[in-house]
Amino acid sequence: SAVISQKPSRDICQRGTSLTIQCQVDSQVTMMFWYRQQPGQSLTLIATANQGSEATYESGFVIDKFPISRPNLTFSTLTVSNMSPEDSSIYLCSVEDLGRDYGYTFGSGTRLTVV
Amino acid sequence: QKEVEQDPGPLSVPEGAIVSLNCTYSNSAFQYFMWYRQYSRKGPELLMYTYSSGNKEDGRFTAQVDKSSKYISLFIRDSQPSDSATYLCAMSEPGGSYIPTFGRGTSLIVHP
Repeated sequence: SAVISQKPSRDICQRGTSLTIQCQVDSQVTMMFWYRQQPGQSLTLIATANQGSEATYESGFVIDKFPISRPNLTFSTLTVSNMSPEDSSIYLCSVEDLGRDYGYTFGSGTRLTVV
Repeated sequence: QKEVEQDPGPLSVPEGAIVSLNCTYSNSAFQYFMWYRQYSRKGPELLMYTYSSGNKEDGRFTAQVDKSSKYISLFIRDSQPSDSATYLCAMSEPGGSYIPTFGRGTSLIVHP
């Protein structure tokens, strides 16, 4: 299975600032996915990031708020911009794990608290 | 109505008990059904997947899918304290990248 390194693991940020989360995969992957996991809520897909093209955002998420970079086949970043307390959540990156049919491998997540 | 419904629990059981975790769904196009386990401060990890209806067994874990009732289950036999985690069901339609739709997870506590 792919191994994902995600950082930072946690952060406490002031409202109005931005945080960039990094996701490094130990193998080349076509698509990388960014999720948000709010307390008591299901994993919600924010966007899909393909190398060499603009990310595709799900309904309710916009590029100005969550810009994504995908400079190569092993790395991606998600920025949470102009943060408010409502952005406090766990953010996870994920890749499709071709070693396990229809399975997805996740990073350990970034626990973000906005104060 | 959400596409995938899952009782968040918590579900507390004694060690050795049989655990039953369940999800219901509304989208009849779902064909792939998965269970993920998520330990505290970790990302979800794939536990089991099933295609279409039927049962699948892996050690102490059994996954069941009843498409006619739009209901899936995960059974854990001889539960252990190390099984204490949040269990998320997920399901996806065929085609494309099979991006799954997740339930909100059931918190399981197995006490010694």
